[in-house]
Amino acid sequence: AQSVTQPDIHITVSEGASLELRCNYSYGATPYLFWYVQSPGQGLQLLLKYFSGDTLVQGIKGFEAEFKRSQSSFNLRKPSVHWSDAAEYFCAVGTNAGKSTFGDGTTLTVKP
Amino acid sequence: DTAVSQTPKYLVTQMGNDKSIKCEQNLGHDTMYWYKQDSKKFLKIMFSYNNKELIINETVPNRFSPKSPDKAHLNLHINSLELGDSAVYFCASSQGPGISNTEAFFGQGTRLTVV
Repeated sequence: AQSVTQPDIHITVSEGASLELRCNYSYGATPYLFWYVQSPGQGLQLLLKYFSGDTLVQGIKGFEAEFKRSQSSFNLRKPSVHWSDAAEYFCAVGTNAGKSTFGDGTTLTVKP
Repeated sequence: DTAVSQTPKYLVTQMGNDKSIKCEQNLGHDTMYWYKQDSKKFLKIMFSYNNKELIINETVPNRFSPKSPDKAHLNLHINSLELGDSAVYFCASSQGPGISNTEAFFGQGTRLTVV
């Protein structure tokens, strides 16, 4: 069965600083990987996804993620964080059967 | 236009009651899901339907019964509500259960509080 680990429960960064959120996955076949963001009181919104091809994928809101098969990782990055990026971030792995397994989330706090 | 809509947004009810949450998607997707998010923000899949057929049924008490009258709707009925059922329930949809179709679009969530 697939699983996703987000090692950082809570991260605090200063506005304007760079950000990296970690995600490690376990899945026996080629993974389909996603990052979602959940703003307070809202549903989840897709930031970006990786299915195949270029291992560096660009998403919305200036986010990017890099798939590293050798490390089973799909870390999310942003060069300069804005206060509006404060939210909960979820990494997910999808399977052929249509089931997405989510990590436990990382809470991002942005300091002024 | 809202792509995935759930009603109600908030639901407060007493233990032992029966309640339903409704979900509708206008994306033309074949697959719909119910997820439960607990107080620690952990997100777990409960059910998935593809073209009105149940395809994923995680370990969920049988007090929870999903119903899909058509592929645009997936409702969740909960019998004999318990305190531990308090959570945010998210409906989601995706194009299909195939290889590249697992990107999910989420509703705004229904915050259920059992008192």
